Amino acid sequence: DTAVSQTPKYLVTQMGNDKSIKCEQNLGHDTMYWYKQDSKKFLKIMFSYNNKELIINETVPNRFSPKSPDKAHLNLHINSLELGDSAVYFCASSYAGTGASPLHFGNGTRLTVT
Amino acid sequence: DQQVKQNSPSLSVQEGRISILNCDYTNSMFDYFLWYKKYPAEGPTFLISISSIKDKNEDGRFTVFLNKSAKHLSLHIVPSQPGDSAVYFCAASGASYGKLTFGQGTILTVHP
Repeated sequence: DTAVSQTPKYLVTQMGNDKSIKCEQNLGHDTMYWYKQDSKKFLKIMFSYNNKELIINETVPNRFSPKSPDKAHLNLHINSLELGDSAVYFCASSYAGTGASPLHFGNGTRLTVT
Repeated sequence: DQQVKQNSPSLSVQEGRISILNCDYTNSMFDYFLWYKKYPAEGPTFLISISSIKDKNEDGRFTVFLNKSAKHLSLHIVPSQPGDSAVYFCAASGASYGKLTFGQGTILTVHP
């Protein structure tokens, strides 16, 4: 009965590979997000989708491509992985996407690029 | 350009005492302020929030205070419990689409 679930939990891969992280929410929310927590522990927004429509794209390299097949899913595909992509990636969801609506986060995917 | 700052990387408190976590922000356009709690290997979980039109919001043991003129907010936990030991993130957002700007977190340790 996990609210926001993302897979895999850990992902170790080599530079240059392409990988995907999947996210699903069963809360009935209409807005989903990807956040990145870097080595300095800052959480920064990457993308936001509202009802499958891209709303926020925060100057993320175009090697990162989010895909939302329906409003309960938001996957993240990363091409040509680089060392600097190593981080923890969190998926989240909320109602309405307004500032007043708290985000519910998944447990994160720790990506390590070697 | 760090718009939300938590200047104390860590805080240690005795069980039963008050924990006060602080957060400063620079962007006067922020409308909402939120606190999240994070345990290791888990995602952040929402704790409490406050709108910029209020100066205090209380929920059980947790109270958030907002001082807009000082661009400062704080989270008070009374009484502190060992289970409160976690990383606490302050976050702020404008009116639309849940774009949260997070501080770097404060590690709270509550000793029995």
